[in-house]
Formats: sequence, C-alpha cells, structure tokens
Amino acid sequence: EAQVTQNPRYLITVTGKKLTVTCSQNMNHEYMSWYRQDPGLGLRQIYYSMNVEVTDKGDVPEGYKVSRKEKRNFPLILESPSPNQTSLYFCASSYTGTGAYEQYFGPGTRLTVT
Amino acid sequence: DAKTTQPNSMESNEEEPVHLPCNHSTISGTDYIHWYRQLPSQGPEYVIHGLTSNVNNRMASLAIAEDRKSSTLILHRATLRDAAVYYCILGDAGGTSYGKLTFGQGTILTVHP
Repeated sequence: EAQVTQNPRYLITVTGKKLTVTCSQNMNHEYMSWYRQDPGLGLRQIYYSMNVEVTDKGDVPEGYKVSRKEKRNFPLILESPSPNQTSLYFCASSYTGTGAYEQYFGPGTRLTVT
Repeated sequence: DAKTTQPNSMESNEEEPVHLPCNHSTISGTDYIHWYRQLPSQGPEYVIHGLTSNVNNRMASLAIAEDRKSSTLILHRATLRDAAVYYCILGDAGGTSYGKLTFGQGTILTVHP
C-alpha cells in the first residue's frame, strides 16, 4: 500500500531535549516536505527536499533541521525544542511532475513541548 | 502568491450534490488550481487539480471558469465521510514556490444524514 508513515504519532517532551520525528514514503517520490499545523494559522511549510541531499527552507524553518540521505526518508530534527514548537506536524511526498503539488500526507505527529 | 477566497462553511445533506466555490481573481496564467481536503484527525488528502479545462476523477469534478478567476469543486453525491475542511490552493509548476502548498482557512463542509 502506497503510504507516508510518521513516527512517533504522539510525543510529549521537555524543553531542550533533542528529538527526531521520522518520515518515510514507499512511493519512490523525489519531493518531500514538512508542515506544521496550528489553530488559526493553517498549515505552514517548514522544510522541503527536491531529492536526495537537496533540501531548502520553507516559511517557518527556525528551530528545525532536516536531512535527506535516502530517497525514502526525510527526518525532522528539533535540536532544542521549545514550547512554541508544540504543534501538529505533517510530512508529505510527491513526484516532481506538475510542480509537486499532488502530495501524499502522513497521518501527523502531535508534539507537545513543556 | 496569488490568493484564494472560500466560504468559511457550507452544509449539505447526504446523497445530494455539493458545489464548493473558490475565487482566485489574481491567478496567473501558469497557476494550477488544486483542491485538498482534511478529514478530522487526519492529514490533508489530495482531491483534484486542473489548469484550464474541467476535470473529473473518482473523487470529484473541478469546474474552472473560462477566465480562470474562479473554480468550483463538485462532489456529486455527498456522504458522511465527505465531511471535512476543503482547501483551494494555487500552485505554479515552474515557479519559485515549487511544491509549497499554501493552505488558507478552507471551507468546513458539514454533511447531514
């Protein structure tokens, strides 16, 4: 089954404790992206990747890192989480045709930073 | 980025057609029109997209105005499972915002049994 998986689905952590949210897709998509969703602000793009070893900032990259060492994986790293990073996070992937707008989203990771 | 305007909410009855409007008066000639939906507690789901011509797929139809300044997503027979937030999004396949989906507030669709 074609899918985007994220782990963990729920995470409660404390300020400053490094964490990684994993994202994996089995569709051989070149394009992958991370979004965060907050009430009243909609979904905002954090980082995206056009292909292996090619990443770039989205609209809200501060406090986050990403890497793309393999085509299928695109982990999101929070080196020193803060409470303002409490949010619902979605990973997405797509082929690069038609501008990579036909994106498949993962189920989401709900992160709480205390 | 070109913006879209959608009604905050709409209601429908089950098994009736639903027409969800979207205005995008500043659309550029290379912008595609995309529709996504987000069911409760799930990630967004791609529905359909088009450039100039009307489009149909298994989920919905997309009707695009001749001047492309508006479009309508058509659900032919609404079911309870279609209750979701529907987002109309513009994207330029060759632009600098490649792949970036700018989600507005969308339209909350309520389907009554």
